[in-house]
Amino acid sequence: TQLLEQSPQFLSIQEGENLTVYCNSSSVFSSLQWYRQEPGEGPVLLVTVVTGGEVKKLKRLTFQFGDARKDSSLHITAAQPGDTGLYLCADTNAGGTSYGKLTFGQGTILTVHP
Amino acid sequence: EAQVTQNPRYLITVTGKKLTVTCSQNMNHEYMSWYRQDPGLGLRQIYYSMNVEVTDKGDVPEGYKVSRKEKRNFPLILESPSPNQTSLYFCASSLSGNVNEQFFGPGTRLTVL
Repeated sequence: TQLLEQSPQFLSIQEGENLTVYCNSSSVFSSLQWYRQEPGEGPVLLVTVVTGGEVKKLKRLTFQFGDARKDSSLHITAAQPGDTGLYLCADTNAGGTSYGKLTFGQGTILTVHP
Repeated sequence: EAQVTQNPRYLITVTGKKLTVTCSQNMNHEYMSWYRQDPGLGLRQIYYSMNVEVTDKGDVPEGYKVSRKEKRNFPLILESPSPNQTSLYFCASSLSGNVNEQFFGPGTRLTVL
């Protein structure tokens, strides 16, 4: 059974600080998705990374996929209160025997104080 | 407006009383899925459906049933709810398979007493 570990579990910072959250897998990712969930709502997709070593940027957010495709990081520059939320990584299990399944990490709860 | 809807949004029930949580999407998506979210555990997949009449188990299917008789609807059925099924439930859909962006509903908070 694949295990996705996210760290840290909780992160509380001041507006303007930089931060990085991590997602590690016990096995190679098929492709990896990052979602953000705000209180009272469902998760919303931020990005999908597929290729080892891939880097994607979304405004102040930078996503990296490890060369071996077993880890990923999300870096936020100059965090704002609007970045507050639960950040989840997920493996799509694409192309394997578990095709159709989506495995999530336990999430990182980020709080950005004004 | 493209969306996934769930009903009810909140439900308090008692052990053993059968219930159904409905999920509907208006985007003509082939893939639909149910998840439960519990503190510290993230989202765990219950069941998913690749298309009409095709369903399969996720990681935590025990105690749940689903059906996919038409493309837009994917109800979650709890035949005999128990307190350990108290959770926040999300339905999601995507165009085709799980590699595409999944669109999530607003969630259903279920309490089983």
